Amino acid sequence: RKEVEQDPGPFNVPEGATVAFNCTYSNSASQSFFWYRQDCRKEPKLLMSVYSSGNEDGRFTAQLNRASQYISLLIRDSKLSDSATYLCVVTGGTGFQKLVFGTGTRLLVSP
Amino acid sequence: DAGVIQSPRHEVTEMGQEVTLRCKPISGHNSLFWYRQTMMRGLELLIYFNNNVPIDDSGMPEDRFSAKMPNASFSTLKIQPSEPRDSAVYFCASSSTRRMETQYFGPGTRLLVL
Repeated sequence: RKEVEQDPGPFNVPEGATVAFNCTYSNSASQSFFWYRQDCRKEPKLLMSVYSSGNEDGRFTAQLNRASQYISLLIRDSKLSDSATYLCVVTGGTGFQKLVFGTGTRLLVSP
Repeated sequence: DAGVIQSPRHEVTEMGQEVTLRCKPISGHNSLFWYRQTMMRGLELLIYFNNNVPIDDSGMPEDRFSAKMPNASFSTLKIQPSEPRDSAVYFCASSSTRRMETQYFGPGTRLLVL
């Protein structure tokens, strides 16, 4: 079983739609959680951290459920520029809390 | 400010050849990471340096891979000899110790081994 599991998609949505991605992780010792965004043929970039209380950044809302080991990302009012791959990331390992990346969920927003 | 710099951006080589990838982290960052990304396995951590010292190299696939960080502004990842299965995008990332979990990635090196 992979440490971080994501639906690879692609999710095809029209502009203005609301879309949600989910992610599960297997290491109950994980302490920090993130969503990264990766555009086609580019490097990953931090989108937002994920906190237990949930957090919002503009059109983006992230939620964490530690009991279920489940993370979500909600994008409201999708824009064409939101088309990308969204990587769910958790910390793992012992001692050094390395970042463990999911393989990503691809989002395509169409006009 | 310059971000993480990697070279070359693209590399095509033949099986058995030596490949050297280079990375310059963001100035002031003292943690450096090498990752490999493939369609099948996603993004995998190969090795992590802190203050130029290798801390975790458990992700290095085998002895054909080696990494060095001779100073705070330069690191190399070497593959010798290269094999077709090494074809991937190799990313270097850096972070500061205070925000080690916020990593800044370079543009990557696309490696194709024929």
